[in-house]
Amino acid sequence: DAGVTQSPTHLIKTRGQQVTLRCSPKSGHDTVSWYQQALGQGPQFIFQYYEEEERQRGNFPDRFSGHQFPNYSSELNVNALLLGDSALYLCASSPDTFGGYTFGSGTRLTVV
Amino acid sequence: KNEVEQSPQNLTAQEGEFITINCSYSVGISALHWLQQHPGGGIVSLFMLSSGKKKHGRLIATINIQEKHSSLHITASHPRDSAVYICAVLPGAQKLVFGQGTRLTINP
Repeated sequence: DAGVTQSPTHLIKTRGQQVTLRCSPKSGHDTVSWYQQALGQGPQFIFQYYEEEERQRGNFPDRFSGHQFPNYSSELNVNALLLGDSALYLCASSPDTFGGYTFGSGTRLTVV
Repeated sequence: KNEVEQSPQNLTAQEGEFITINCSYSVGISALHWLQQHPGGGIVSLFMLSSGKKKHGRLIATINIQEKHSSLHITASHPRDSAVYICAVLPGAQKLVFGQGTRLTINP
């Protein structure tokens, strides 16, 4: 049984560009959460998707947007990239909103 | 003050030592997670606790809901245990709140 799959694993983008990160949740999980982890810091909550809708959002600007598809997979989009967006982006899935999280290996985004 | 505080921030020990990492939180929670993160990023969920104690191999996690405190213990530590250990709490539904992590280094 595959766990959470994220793609790509690494990505280098230029300031001002746009990026799309992808996440396939663990089988049986319908909730997907996205987190940003800056170097040396703990992960910070970006948003969570359930039933194709954004349920809750952390303190991130509108440049960060997402989507969840009918098969529960999810995308994270970041527009107008800034150097400060360089981080590890983690996706976590759960069978409901009360825990039992499985994390992906993350996508390391570098903005130059 | 962060909602989740871990101590110590860094811990270096010799192989075989008993390791304790502490987590204190300031909000009511429905669950607490202990996570392990190796260099390169991937996070592995070690435990999810809402009460009492759980054990898996050399790892033991305890939680005291009244004191808002949890501990992660590693017995007979090994260099492969070297990683960042993160405490994360679930204050109700929907989003995890993470501690800053404890960087553990086990020397042979």
